Amino acid sequence: KQEVTQIPAALSVPEGENLVLNCSFTDSAIYNLQWFRQDPGKGLTSLLLIQSSQREQTSGRLNASLDKSSGRSTLYIAASQPGDSATYLCAVLGYSTLTFGKGTMLLVSP
Amino acid sequence: DVKVTQSSRYLVKRTGEKVFLECVQDMDHENMFWYRQDPGLGLRLIYFSYDVKMKEKGDIPEGYSVSREKKERFSLILESASTNQTSMYLCASRTTSGSPIEQFFGPGTRLTVL
Repeated sequence: KQEVTQIPAALSVPEGENLVLNCSFTDSAIYNLQWFRQDPGKGLTSLLLIQSSQREQTSGRLNASLDKSSGRSTLYIAASQPGDSATYLCAVLGYSTLTFGKGTMLLVSP
Repeated sequence: DVKVTQSSRYLVKRTGEKVFLECVQDMDHENMFWYRQDPGLGLRLIYFSYDVKMKEKGDIPEGYSVSREKKERFSLILESASTNQTSMYLCASRTTSGSPIEQFFGPGTRLTVL
């Protein structure tokens, strides 16, 4: 059964720092990997999707990488801002359903 | 843009009541999903549907049922609500054709069972 782990569980940084969120998964037979953002009490917003044949995707200040053979993905956030404060979730798509990590709660202080 | 809507943002019900949570998507997606999200446990899949009138149990189907009579609508039913079903409920939809296969979520329903 696929297991997804996210490290760290929580992270607090001052504004302007570059930071890396980590995601690991146990079964490398995946179709894709999605990174989501969740604000308190809200639904999930898709940030980036990396297909299994890809190595990375970029959107603005966000860059996600995928190393399928080692079962790892990273989400890099450049020049962090207080508005980036949220929980970030990693999810991998296997045969039919997404398996989620428990998320990294990020706080960016002014 | 894909839009997934849920009928209520907040809902308060009493133990034993029958509860309906509605989800509608506007992109003709074949697959639809219901999750619940609890602190420390993350997102857990309750039920999903591959297409109209089709349903599959997820990881935690006990105490729930679903209905998908139309492609755009997927309902989650709590036959007799209990306090341990107090949670955030999230609906999602996904196409099966084209690339990439991306999943989109609704805003969530915070259900409290008293």
